[in-house]
Amino acid sequence: QVQLVESGGGVVQPGGSLRLSCAASGFAFSSYGMHWVRQAPGKGLDWVAFIRFDGSNKYYADSVKGRFTISRDNSKNTLYLQMNSLRAEDTALYYCAKDPSTTVDSWFDPWGQGTLVTVSS
Amino acid sequence: SYELTQPPSVSVSPGQTARITCSGDALPKQYASWYQQKPGQAPVLVIYKDSERPSGIPERFSGSSSGTTVTLTISGVQAEDEADYYCQSADSSGTYKVVFGGGTKLTVL
Repeated sequence: QVQLVESGGGVVQPGGSLRLSCAASGFAFSSYGMHWVRQAPGKGLDWVAFIRFDGSNKYYADSVKGRFTISRDNSKNTLYLQMNSLRAEDTALYYCAKDPSTTVDSWFDPWGQGTLVTVSS
Repeated sequence: SYELTQPPSVSVSPGQTARITCSGDALPKQYASWYQQKPGQAPVLVIYKDSERPSGIPERFSGSSSGTTVTLTISGVQAEDEADYYCQSADSSGTYKVVFGGGTKLTVL
């Protein structure tokens, strides 16, 4: 079955860096766009970034633009999120999600279980 | 900036119908999706393209769209439907972005 497994979360100091990974299985990873979405403790869902199936286009939320970089390795069926210049407000559970859409509309199905990032001194 | 507005909470008794609305200026031009999230769990897609239901989602979940508002309807609500529900849409009018509503807590009385 389709499975997404995030890893790489942890505790990091403000200004630090972290790289998240999302290992995909059970579907043709190289055929689908992928997203990162985060959820701060007790808060709602917050879209972070999107990458097209072939990595040709990448899009970011304004709050992370210039600090975060989304990438993928289709040979390894893995999605990444490089997070630099981390701030306390980046503290959240980070989910990766597959985008089944083939148009400009996007939806998320399925989601991984998330990896927790805590930015604290 | 593009926003989606949901009521913070909705309460219904078991067996009744719950309706959760989501309003946004771009909704007449963009499809919306809905997600169910139970405590400690990842979100699950329950409706996409305004009214399409993924396989495995019970028929009591349905979606509709009218103008700038989309609605998630849960008919014959069951205790297990108690959860947070989020609407979501994409904004392709400028640089591509995805937007989520603030979420609605559905309480089954």
